[in-house]
Amino acid sequence: GAGVSQSPSNKVTEKGKDVELRCDPISGHTALYWYRQSLGQGLEFLIYFQGNSAPDKSGLPSDRFSAERTGGSVSTLTIQRTQQEDSAVYLCASSRQENTEAFFGQGTRLTVV
Amino acid sequence: DQQVKQNSPSLSVQEGRISILNCDYTNSMFDYFLWYKKYPAEGPTFLISISSIKDKNEDGRFTVFLNKSAKHLSLHIVPSQPGDSAVYFCAASPDNAGNMLTFGGGTRLMVKP
Repeated sequence: GAGVSQSPSNKVTEKGKDVELRCDPISGHTALYWYRQSLGQGLEFLIYFQGNSAPDKSGLPSDRFSAERTGGSVSTLTIQRTQQEDSAVYLCASSRQENTEAFFGQGTRLTVV
Repeated sequence: DQQVKQNSPSLSVQEGRISILNCDYTNSMFDYFLWYKKYPAEGPTFLISISSIKDKNEDGRFTVFLNKSAKHLSLHIVPSQPGDSAVYFCAASPDNAGNMLTFGGGTRLMVKP
């Protein structure tokens, strides 16, 4: 596709369940970023991938959060044992290189009930 | 501790007038600043950026001003148009940090016809 694609667009899950969020970056973009926007908050950086490696995981809020990227393309963000405070919009962005313009996907709205 | 702050959660402006959105930051390591625009149910889209070696950058109706000594930047939109109504996020990063951005909380701009 022409832009960054995220799926699902909406996810409602029960507290304690695991969820997996998917990001398809723009083809050829080597850098991939995950952010989240909680209610009333700004965008919060979670993790950055350069190729398949994640040089910066400093933003992951707890060890329940993990992410991987395979083949230098698709990335999945996994949240284990979800909590209500995990409810947010999770946004993925990609850029051709590390210091070039980043393009965002539409986000996945996660609601933990 | 918010390193990037947008103190006005909302701003209402008449069509044709100037919109001024403000942003303050505390981290003196920030060297690169960006503005993103976000419509509901869409990811943020890049609007304009400025590096710390400049104090002004202009792109059409959009101008960003940077005052490093005051750790303050602003986005001017003139003339404002109803289609500019959106949430505007200020973001910053240290030099060579690529798109690992720290975002402000956003300002909702409403341009009235």
